[in-house]
Amino acid sequence: ETGVTQTPRHLVMGMTNKKSLKCEQHLGHNAMYWYKQSAKKPLELMFVYNFKEQTENNSVPSRFSPECPNSSHLFLHLHTLQPEDSALYLCASSQPPSDNEQFFGPGTRLTVL
Amino acid sequence: GEDVEQSLFLSVREGDSSVINCTYTDSSSTYLYWYKQEPGAGLQLLTYIFSNMDMKQDQRLTVLLNKKDKHLSLRIADTQTGDSAIYFCAETGGFQKLVFGTGTRLLVSP
Repeated sequence: ETGVTQTPRHLVMGMTNKKSLKCEQHLGHNAMYWYKQSAKKPLELMFVYNFKEQTENNSVPSRFSPECPNSSHLFLHLHTLQPEDSALYLCASSQPPSDNEQFFGPGTRLTVL
Repeated sequence: GEDVEQSLFLSVREGDSSVINCTYTDSSSTYLYWYKQEPGAGLQLLTYIFSNMDMKQDQRLTVLLNKKDKHLSLRIADTQTGDSAIYFCAETGGFQKLVFGTGTRLLVSP
């Protein structure tokens, strides 16, 4: 595997379900990000992790819970989501100090019923 | 606040040049970026320009920056059907923060 991978690629869940999105980067980077991409809206930064520590939470509702066990893995735990949370969730990584050169995964297309 | 604007759609014929435009608001942005998103894929960094430059050329891609008007453009020469994608402009919105536009969907017809 190379670059940034995400699983699953597609996920359908009910509002009462609990699921997790996984991201893995094979680039040796130390910063990882979660973004939300909704139709006709700019990408929204959700969370940033540096060296496994969360350094940014962009006012994300608590029904989204990130976890970064090591510098190459990032999870997004989902529970009691709403239909408006349906979107493409993108993971990215970067290597300080070139932090604005971000490398993106293919995303997980999430549908909340 | 930070805001990056792009037109939503551009249609060109194969072989023509494409010009995708972007306006941004943060004059302190250090770098400006162009990303490409193909169907079913994540964003791919195409090119970027440092804010003290006016132009950057990379093979078929030319980036022009007008810092006075806060206007950025991406020109694709000899556009191919494989260039069909959504193109996002982004500015640096702070440490580890990119502010993206809504994207321009480029459709290249044979």
